[in-house]
Amino acid sequence: AQKVTQAQTEISVVEKEDVTLDCVYETRDTTYYLFWYKQPPSGELVFLIRRNSFDEQNEISGRYSWNFQKSTSSFNFTITASQVVDSAVYFCALSALTLLQGAQKLVFGQGTRLTINP
Amino acid sequence: GAGVSQTPSNKVTEKGKYVELRCDPISGHTALYWYRQSLGQGPEFLIYFQGTGAADDSGLPNDRFFAVRPEGSVSTLKIQRTERGDSAVYLCASSTDRANTEAFFGQGTRLTVV
Repeated sequence: AQKVTQAQTEISVVEKEDVTLDCVYETRDTTYYLFWYKQPPSGELVFLIRRNSFDEQNEISGRYSWNFQKSTSSFNFTITASQVVDSAVYFCALSALTLLQGAQKLVFGQGTRLTINP
Repeated sequence: GAGVSQTPSNKVTEKGKYVELRCDPISGHTALYWYRQSLGQGPEFLIYFQGTGAADDSGLPNDRFFAVRPEGSVSTLKIQRTERGDSAVYLCASSTDRANTEAFFGQGTRLTVV
């Protein structure tokens, strides 16, 4: 079975601080995708990143960076110099690579509510 | 707009009633997904369509839940004999059938069963 655990239910920091959101996953599949989504108050899930299990390279996109460590089954997300607009609920998710090309049956964690205070 | 559209945005219904929730995917997206998100939880997979057919309906909780996509575009999630435990936000997403693609989500329908 697949499982995603986001142990941090809520995080609150002051603007400009760096913050890391933890994600630990479980899967028996040898190949899989990992994702992070952002859910602002409007409710729509906004895609942030997809990582293939073959690729353990860390990725940086502006103030966002992701650390994928297969050895510890973790896919952590760091926001550098946080801003008030970063306030949202963030979800980590896992999907098996399937024979149905493009299919994404996502298993989500419970989410981390991030509040950036001015 | 060009995004995934869900209607209605909010639905309040009485226990025991039948409801339909609609999803308009992004034009050209062959894959369509329904998820359910309870308060304070992450979304949970319900069903996945590839074209008109349900390729995976393993997440539907029971036979009161049913979904269709007759023309391979718009999808309707149908819930019979609603129960208070069905109250949640129902999210729809769509994607292409190419590899290395992501799913785009709608804003959801908040269903409240009273």
